[in-house]
Amino acid sequence: DAEITQSPRHKITETGRQVTLACHQTWNHNNMFWYRQDLGHGLRLIHYSYGVHDTNKGEVSDGYSVSRSNTEDLPLTLESAASSQTSVYFCASSKDRGHGYTFGSGTRLTVV
Amino acid sequence: GQQLNQSPQSMFIQEGEDVSMNCTSSSIFNTWLWYKQDPGEGPVLLIALYKAGELTSNGRLTAQFGITRKDSFLNISASIPSDVGIYFCAGMGNTGTASKLTFGTGTRLQVTL
Repeated sequence: DAEITQSPRHKITETGRQVTLACHQTWNHNNMFWYRQDLGHGLRLIHYSYGVHDTNKGEVSDGYSVSRSNTEDLPLTLESAASSQTSVYFCASSKDRGHGYTFGSGTRLTVV
Repeated sequence: GQQLNQSPQSMFIQEGEDVSMNCTSSSIFNTWLWYKQDPGEGPVLLIALYKAGELTSNGRLTAQFGITRKDSFLNISASIPSDVGIYFCAGMGNTGTASKLTFGTGTRLQVTL
């Protein structure tokens, strides 16, 4: 069965370190997204991609970057982790722009 | 950016009761979606609405796409304990930067026996 997987599920890192969160989907979806979820803010879009080599900034992109070298993967990198980036991160994918997204199970990141 | 106001923020209901929640937007959307999130998991799509005025059911769930295209409603009939979770509305525009999902802040549903 097709799926979307995130790794790791939990991570603790120190302030200033570079961190990469993985997202891998086997749906063969063109569109992939990264959201962060914080209490009181719901889900906020960080970065998104509509295809290989395409990347775009979302509403809370500062301090994050993504790259799309193939259809299946959209890794999210925190260049220099900050305590404000402690959050739960969700990756999602969709077949095309008019369809709902399929979400991964999330990565809980704690920056100490 | 687009704002989605979802209400209520939380609900405590008894098993068997019906539930209603709604979402309003400052902008027009062409698609409305409703998701449910269980603890420790990602949101799962419940219902998708693609046309103003559309009323769609999925089991005990019924959702409506408001005529103004600025609101949507979700009803759950005869709630059961497994309905517990956070429900998110999400809207999508048609073109450019608007063709991405914007999420509401969620309604936390608790069901008591």
